[in-house]
Amino acid sequence: GENVEQHPSTLSVQEGDSAVIKCTYSDSASNYFPWYKQELGKGPQLIIDIRSNVGEKKDQRIAVTLNKTAKHFSLHITETQPEDSAVYFCAASRGNTPLVFGKGTRLSVIA
Amino acid sequence: KAGVTQTPRYLIKTRGQQVTLSCSPISGHRSVSWYQQTPGQGLQFLFEYFSETQRNKGNFPGRFSGRQFSNSRSEMNVSTLELGDSALYLCASSLASSGSQREQYFGPGTRLTVT
Repeated sequence: GENVEQHPSTLSVQEGDSAVIKCTYSDSASNYFPWYKQELGKGPQLIIDIRSNVGEKKDQRIAVTLNKTAKHFSLHITETQPEDSAVYFCAASRGNTPLVFGKGTRLSVIA
Repeated sequence: KAGVTQTPRYLIKTRGQQVTLSCSPISGHRSVSWYQQTPGQGLQFLFEYFSETQRNKGNFPGRFSGRQFSNSRSEMNVSTLELGDSALYLCASSLASSGSQREQYFGPGTRLTVT
C-alpha cells in the first residue's frame, strides 16, 4: 500500500522567511496530493492540493510542487506570518482510495 | 454553508464500555470518512461511507464499526473500549468518493479519553 514520508518533523523560521516541507510517496499510481493545516484544538483544514497532471500550483503565499518521477511533492510558504504556525500534513491517494497521511510538520514562525 | 460538525466534542469512557460518535457532513456531500489521530500513529483511516455503503475500510479491529444514514449523516461505534482507543476521532466529508470531487473537509473532531 501507499506510504508517505514527511520531513522535517519540526521547523522554526523567522517571520517573513520562507518555509518548505517535503513529502515522498511510494505508490506511483497516486494522483492526488492535498496539504492540510491543523491548529490546536481544530480539525485539519485543506489549504491546497495538486493533481498529477500539473507540476505546480500557487495560491497567494502558498505553493505546492510535484515531481512524479521522483515521487515527491513539497509545500512552500513565503513571507511567513505568526498565524502560519500550526501542524502541516501532506497526504496522497489514487483518487478513489483513502488518503494516506504523512506524520506532520510542526511549523513555528518566530516574530 | 456550514462545515462538518461532530458530536460530542469530548468524551470520557471507561475500559470495556462502548461509544458512539456522530458526524454531519457539509450539505450536499455524500461521502463521509473517519480517521483516528494519535500522537504516535498520526492520522489513520478507519472507514469511508458513500450513499449508505461502506466503500473503504482501514486496518482496525472489528470493534470499530460505522454506518451512514440516508441524509448522509454518519456514526461510528467502538465497542469494548481499550486504553489505546484514546484519540481524536475525525470525520471528513467530500462530494464524491472518487475523482475530481474528492476534496475532503474535516470536522473539529471528538476527543475520546478511555480510563
